[in-house]
Amino acid sequence: DQQVKQNSPSLSVQEGRISILNCDYTNSMFDYFLWYKKYPAEGPTFLISISSIKDKNEDGRFTVFLNKSAKHLSLHIVPSQPGDSAVYFCAASVASNTGKLIFGQGTTLQVKP
Amino acid sequence: DVKVTQSSRYLVKRTGEKVFLECVQDMDHENMFWYRQDPGLGLRLIYFSYDVKMKEKGDIPEGYSVSREKKERFSLILESASTNQTSMYLCASSSPGQGTFSYNEQFFGPGTRLTVL
Repeated sequence: DQQVKQNSPSLSVQEGRISILNCDYTNSMFDYFLWYKKYPAEGPTFLISISSIKDKNEDGRFTVFLNKSAKHLSLHIVPSQPGDSAVYFCAASVASNTGKLIFGQGTTLQVKP
Repeated sequence: DVKVTQSSRYLVKRTGEKVFLECVQDMDHENMFWYRQDPGLGLRLIYFSYDVKMKEKGDIPEGYSVSREKKERFSLILESASTNQTSMYLCASSSPGQGTFSYNEQFFGPGTRLTVL
């Protein structure tokens, strides 16, 4: 049972345009969501997060939107740059001291110069 | 600068061998995690530990065991390696959350690419 789903395995956009990566979840108990970025042969690095009491969080070129009623979140990258080409993972957490995360399958973003 | 290190970047083992993957963090984190990453499946949690000598099964613990004798070190053990355990293995650590609507991010190591022949 996949509680966090990223239904698009890959996405290709032109440099300077907007990249939109999507994520759906099924567990209404999730109260915190994160996006991680992963380059080949490296570990994932934290990108941006959002609490379930908010609907938007912005950090520079990156914005995460949360629609709780639809159980959907999205990551917007504007403008996209070739260095953004990576695998992006959506992750969700239920409040606990264990810090356990549930990850999606990942979306490979390619930004073309 | 926070750091999670893994003992090997690349490892090749034979079927049936016992394999040890080591992970060390220097951030004094209570929580440590082992994942495997496979194409199309994302990151799947194998085991995690929220304190020394404490461990809990993740989503895919079969064929694996773990050891946490010291706070900074979390080891993943493949008792008898099989070809379906060929994968990228990622270790992570974090400090406990502050309650509802808060979270402390996980910091990941660079990963170990394990090939079982």
